[in-house]
Amino acid sequence: GNSVTQMEGPVTLSEEAFLTINCTYTATGYPSLFWYVQYPGEGLQLLLKATKADDKGSNKGFEATYRKETTSFHLEKGSVQVSDSAVYFCALRDGDSSYKLIFGSGTRLLVRP
Amino acid sequence: GAGVSQSPSNKVTEKGKDVELRCDPISGHTALYWYRQSLGQGLEFLIYFQGNSAPDKSGLPSDRFSAERTGGSVSTLTIQRTQQEDSAVYLCASSSRDGSGYTFGSGTRLTVV
Repeated sequence: GNSVTQMEGPVTLSEEAFLTINCTYTATGYPSLFWYVQYPGEGLQLLLKATKADDKGSNKGFEATYRKETTSFHLEKGSVQVSDSAVYFCALRDGDSSYKLIFGSGTRLLVRP
Repeated sequence: GAGVSQSPSNKVTEKGKDVELRCDPISGHTALYWYRQSLGQGLEFLIYFQGNSAPDKSGLPSDRFSAERTGGSVSTLTIQRTQQEDSAVYLCASSSRDGSGYTFGSGTRLTVV
């Protein structure tokens, strides 16, 4: 079945460091891919998405490119801030009609001043 | 409403009791989803509604779990004879029929003691 694997955390970085959180997926067909973020004490928010191969999703300085050849959707940011500290979830939505999301296990990011 | 509303925000119950969790989706959203976020299992899909019908119940973990939706709006997730392993955050999301506007609520934190 469809699944998402993302790197385990926590990831601890200093402010202004470069961030990469790896995400790979297994799916039949052509899923849409998402990154969600959960800030402390808050609900899940959509960060960015890509719906087809080679699409790049971007938002708030974060980027991720849908790579079908490597079945990956790695999240990157050039310069993280303390306010980026949160849990990040990679997810896919398969192509059937249910639109359910399949999530990775989440990666906690801690950015220190 | 402006967002997906879930109630209660926190619920503590004794093992063996039944609980009901409520989700009020965004007005006009025909699709509604329940997810569970727990330490051991990550974020997992439970059930999907399109209108009042549930074409995908594949994620319900046991027959103690059930959900209904009335009037194409409010949904209730019921857990009977709660067990300690049911302790988790239960998240609801809603979207338009085509999956657009997918939005999560803040969740209900259930603790079974």
